[in-house]
Amino acid sequence: NAGVTQTPKFQVLKTGQSMTLQCAQDMNHNSMYWYRQDPGMGLRLIYYSASEGTTDKGEVPNGYNVSRLNKREFSLRLESAAPSQTSVYFCASTLGQAKLGETQYFGPGTRLLVL
Amino acid sequence: KQEVTQIPAALSVPEGENLVLNCSFTDSAIYNLQWFRQDPGKGLTSLLLIQSSQREQTSGRLNASLDKSSGRSTLYIAASQPGDSATYLCAVSKYGNKLVFGAGTILRVKS
Repeated sequence: NAGVTQTPKFQVLKTGQSMTLQCAQDMNHNSMYWYRQDPGMGLRLIYYSASEGTTDKGEVPNGYNVSRLNKREFSLRLESAAPSQTSVYFCASTLGQAKLGETQYFGPGTRLLVL
Repeated sequence: KQEVTQIPAALSVPEGENLVLNCSFTDSAIYNLQWFRQDPGKGLTSLLLIQSSQREQTSGRLNASLDKSSGRSTLYIAASQPGDSATYLCAVSKYGNKLVFGAGTILRVKS
């Protein structure tokens, strides 16, 4: 049981390049989330998917797009990377059945450096 | 807009000491509060989840309390160990599991 996995672990991009961060979970969870973590700040929600086929914006969605490919996979795409997008990106998932809140399970993160 | 603050930003204690980490939030209309642990270069691990109707939760040497009306939570760690060294993050949520995080407290337990 791998839990939440993310690829790649580390990536260097040049300004203007595009890339997709991949996330997959094997816990049969319905809801998935993308966060970014910057030094000295808490994690901030970028996008989330409450269930397969739905996505919605979080606190900091500008410059990103997402795809909920199926129940297991939720990808985050940077169309034209900017240095301000240098960060550590975390994917998380929850069972998605309890509206009052559930434990979130996190992946190991992707470290992205945009030059 | 919900804001979450954690004090202190960093804490260094000798092994065996009991310690308290603090978390405060500006909007008391929350559904739950969660405490996470983050080891360097790793993802987050959930430690405790307190629903808004609850006052505290315990797991082993950890005890988390919630005072929703005053917008505060504390994480109490008993008999600290070097293996407890990590960053501890507090997060609150409203409907839908959307979490708002504090910046964290970096804890170092010295042997």
